[in-house]
Amino acid sequence: GAGVSQTPSNKVTEKGKYVELRCDPISGHTALYWYRQSLGQGPEFLIYFQGTGAADDSGLPNDRFFAVRPEGSVSTLKIQRTERGDSAVYLCASSLLRGPGDTQYFGPGTRLTVL
Amino acid sequence: KQEVTQIPAALSVPEGENLVLNCSFTDSAIYNLQWFRQDPGKGLTSLLLIQSSQREQTSGRLNASLDKSSGRSTLYIAASQPGDSATYLCAVNTGNQFYFGTGTSLTVIP
Repeated sequence: GAGVSQTPSNKVTEKGKYVELRCDPISGHTALYWYRQSLGQGPEFLIYFQGTGAADDSGLPNDRFFAVRPEGSVSTLKIQRTERGDSAVYLCASSLLRGPGDTQYFGPGTRLTVL
Repeated sequence: KQEVTQIPAALSVPEGENLVLNCSFTDSAIYNLQWFRQDPGKGLTSLLLIQSSQREQTSGRLNASLDKSSGRSTLYIAASQPGDSATYLCAVNTGNQFYFGTGTSLTVIP
């Protein structure tokens, strides 16, 4: 079956603009995660959804970042008033169930560049 | 806060060698540990997942071990091939969050 997909693959924007990044998880996966990966670093947790609700958003760096998953499937990560420091690869992952035995399946990421 | 460290940061070996990648974490209260592979410009591919109650997992030429009490995991790659060249990341699941190391960049020279 299809894996996790993310669109767009690349996004270039200007400082101060608003951007939306989309994640389509594997069908039937109830858990969805967003991560941010800066150059030379490992992915950094942002937010985790179980179904439609954000179960843990403690990784969001500030209130310019927001994510939704209104129907428990597709998720959108929204960044307002983008700053150059927001430039990174944004990764999405999904897993079938939220539990200790979960394996996360990652999408290819969206590379965001803020000029 | 959980801190995950991977050593070495980069490794270059000739084809055919066996090698070990190291991952250490500061808080032993984990659910599981997962090893991933990341190719340039790509997402992460899961290689092995070890539950906290397990000591090791094997898949083909890969073997991952876990010593939860000492906060260490190793990924052993046997008979390395040029196609193994990639960045290898470990991640620990503490229940609410997954914490990643910064990765080991592996180059296997033909």
